[in-house]
Parts: sequence; structure tokens; C-alpha cells
Amino acid sequence: DGGITQSPKYLFRKEGQNVTLSCEQNLNHDAMYWYRQDPGQGLRLIYYSQIVNDFQKGDIAEGYSVSREKKESFPLTVTSAQKNPTAFYLCASTQTTGGLTNEKLFFGSGTQLSVL
Amino acid sequence: GENVEQHPSTLSVQEGDSAVIKCTYSDSASNYFPWYKQELGKGPQLIIDIRSNVGEKKDQRIAVTLNKTAKHFSLHITETQPEDSAVYFCAARERGGTASKLTFGTGTRLQVTL
Repeated sequence: DGGITQSPKYLFRKEGQNVTLSCEQNLNHDAMYWYRQDPGQGLRLIYYSQIVNDFQKGDIAEGYSVSREKKESFPLTVTSAQKNPTAFYLCASTQTTGGLTNEKLFFGSGTQLSVL
Repeated sequence: GENVEQHPSTLSVQEGDSAVIKCTYSDSASNYFPWYKQELGKGPQLIIDIRSNVGEKKDQRIAVTLNKTAKHFSLHITETQPEDSAVYFCAARERGGTASKLTFGTGTRLQVTL
């Protein structure tokens, strides 16, 4: 089955701790994205990566970091600098055809991060 | 930047009735408008999209309409079924942008009752 796998499903963070959310895709997509979802709000873009070893900040990148060492993996680290990390985090990917990034986002099932 | 407003925030309909969700956008340069459905505990899934050169698009029981002059677009679900219960998000993307330029609405929780 092709798709995007996020783990863990639930994660708890202690004060001052960094935590890393995993996102793996076997769709052979070039572009990958991290979104944050808060109750009653739309999806907000944290970081995105169009290609391996390259990534750009989204609208709310402060307090987060990412890496893209492999095409299939795009882990997100929520650092201690993120003062309000409790949210549902979604990873997504899109296909690139002929150098153009497709518009359809494929999402994982998400990780719920809570602060202890 | 783009701003997308979505109404209503919650919608309850009886099975078999129609449901309509409306979105407005601010940037007249936006030209791509997708709708995503998010079931409980899952990630959103694209259900239908429309581009600015088209006024309406249908796919079985769902349809989307676009009014460029008024800068609003709507999702129509006919003959609703319990499995239509979910949160629906609209989005708008500026002309020439990639998926990274999508601005999402705040979502509508649709409840289809028996």
C-alpha cells in the first residue's frame, strides 16, 4: 500500500524538551509538507521541502526544525522554543511532474502532540 | 496575503438532505480552489477541486460552484449519507503558486443524522 505514515499517533512533551515527529512516504513524491492543526482553525504550514536536502519555512516556522536527508523522510522537531506546541500535526506530500509540483496534497493520519 | 473565510463552522442535516458549505477568498489572483474532507482521527483527503476558468464541477453527489466576481465558492453535497459526516476544509491558492501557497479555511463539521 502506498501512502504516508506518521508516528507516533500520540506524543507527550515535557517542559524544555525537544520532540521529533516522524513522517515517511513511499509514494515517490518529491515535495513534502508539515502542517499544524488547532481546533477551530485551518491548516497552517510550518515547513515544506521541494527536494532532498532543501526546505523552506512556512507561515509558522518559529520553534520548529526539519531535515530532508532522504526523499521518503521528512521529520519535524518541535523544540523547546515552541511555547504552545499542543496541536495535531499533519504531514503531506505532492507529486512533481515535469518539474512542476502537483497541487493535490496526500496527508498522513497525523500526530497529536500534548504538553505534560 | 490570501484570507479564506468558511461558513458555517458546524452543520447538521438529516440523511438524504442536501448540505452547502460556503467560502470566500480575498485575493482576486487566486485560481485554484480545492475541498478536503477529514474524517475523525485521519488526515484530510481531497474530494473535489475547481479552477477559476470553470464555474461549476460535479462528481456524483458532490459539486463545487465558483463565483469569481463575488470571490466565493461553495461545496454542495446532495442525498447526504452518514459516511459524509466529517470536517470539510476549503482552500484557495494564488495564481502560479504551488501547494505551499494554499490558504485553508477554518473548517466545517458536518453531522448527518439518521
